[in-house]
Amino acid sequence: NAGVTQTPKFQVLKTGQSMTLQCAQDMNHNSMYWYRQDPGMGLRLIYYSASEGTTDKGEVPNGYNVSRLNKREFSLRLESAAPSQTSVYFCASLGNSNQPQHFGDGTRLSIL
Amino acid sequence: QKEVEQNSGPLSVPEGAIASLNCTYSDRVSQSFFWYRQYSGKSPELIMSIYSNGDKEDGRFTAQLNKASQYVSLLIRDSQPSDSATYLCASDQTGANNLFFGTGTRLTVIP
Repeated sequence: NAGVTQTPKFQVLKTGQSMTLQCAQDMNHNSMYWYRQDPGMGLRLIYYSASEGTTDKGEVPNGYNVSRLNKREFSLRLESAAPSQTSVYFCASLGNSNQPQHFGDGTRLSIL
Repeated sequence: QKEVEQNSGPLSVPEGAIASLNCTYSDRVSQSFFWYRQYSGKSPELIMSIYSNGDKEDGRFTAQLNKASQYVSLLIRDSQPSDSATYLCASDQTGANNLFFGTGTRLTVIP
């Protein structure tokens, strides 16, 4: 997807390891989001950032931390990975109200 | 509890038929509603948004919103095999651009 870039695309971790998922957007959007998607569960919001310098919890924040480094970048950190965090993680950004969120291609994370 | 509910399907329709996808939501304050299409292994992409009661048409797609009954639907006319995907319904229940997604309905269009 043009505009929102996520790295890495795939990652395998061992339980207890830490990792940071990176997200960057080049659309000058104010708001950025991290979701996880599990089979049969739809997309669930982990954290979001309405503007540079602010972050807030979503539906499922436990076990995660985020940093809004600047307007472009919003990272998601797993301090001590658990198998329950095996999922596909999507980053999204939003410019104005009532406009669609633009999604990145996702990071497929497996924790053994 | 704020919820967006969809029939997970799978829904199968023959090519050329109308596919009807439905979604209900629990929060009466929701103002904005979106339909996203997600192909297997890909990210969601927006196909329709609707904010007021009634119908909104865009090509082969029509979104319908009924706030009194708290449902939103998506009709796909002249369904094509390329429409085979999972369709996610989402609502902005907080008014803060935070979307709540349904679990998605998997649609298969049979040639």
